[in-house]
Amino acid sequence: EPEVTQTPSHQVTQMGQEVILRCVPISNHLYFYWYRQILGQKVEFLVSFYNNEISEKSEIFDDQFSVERPDGSNFTLKIRSTKLEDSAMYFCAVVWSGETQYFGPGTRLLVL
Amino acid sequence: GNSVTQMEGPVTLSEEAFLTINCTYTATGYPSLFWYVQYPGEGLQLLLKATKADDKGSNKGFEATYRKETTSFHLEKGSVQVSDSAVYFCALSDGFQKLVFGTGTRLLVSP
Repeated sequence: EPEVTQTPSHQVTQMGQEVILRCVPISNHLYFYWYRQILGQKVEFLVSFYNNEISEKSEIFDDQFSVERPDGSNFTLKIRSTKLEDSAMYFCAVVWSGETQYFGPGTRLLVL
Repeated sequence: GNSVTQMEGPVTLSEEAFLTINCTYTATGYPSLFWYVQYPGEGLQLLLKATKADDKGSNKGFEATYRKETTSFHLEKGSVQVSDSAVYFCALSDGFQKLVFGTGTRLLVSP
């Protein structure tokens, strides 16, 4: 099972500020995903990333969101101008074997 | 589109009781089915999976069978422990596409 780390574990930011969430898989992967979970609610898909480009995105993933692999290992999610409703737990996931997605521990984002 | 429906919680059981958490799905094609578990304050961990009809996934005493005829993937455990207290999510995916999750079912096990 792959090990996936996410940084930071917690982030508090002011509304309108930019945040960058990072995902660091230990081994090489081709498929990456971001999901979010608003407190007490279901896990929602944001975006999938394959071969260095977005393969699918949800309605939530609007122009305020972007993803990239800046150095071939880290996988980042950027929110350009945070809103109160962006407060959530953000999970990165990778595919390691077959099609099974393995999740990182998450970043808890709080927008004030 | 694809969707997953789970029984609402919380499910409250005494230690050593039998557990069933119902999960049904709607999908085009032949999705893979998963159960993920989220312990308090932690991320999502894969509990078990099944990739085709009649497959049984199992792990840590938990089992679920992919039933195409009833579009179900119910999670069962013969004897729960206090340490099984967590939120359980049923999910499906179609190939390398996104996971579609159910709303989650909270399990509370008392000694």
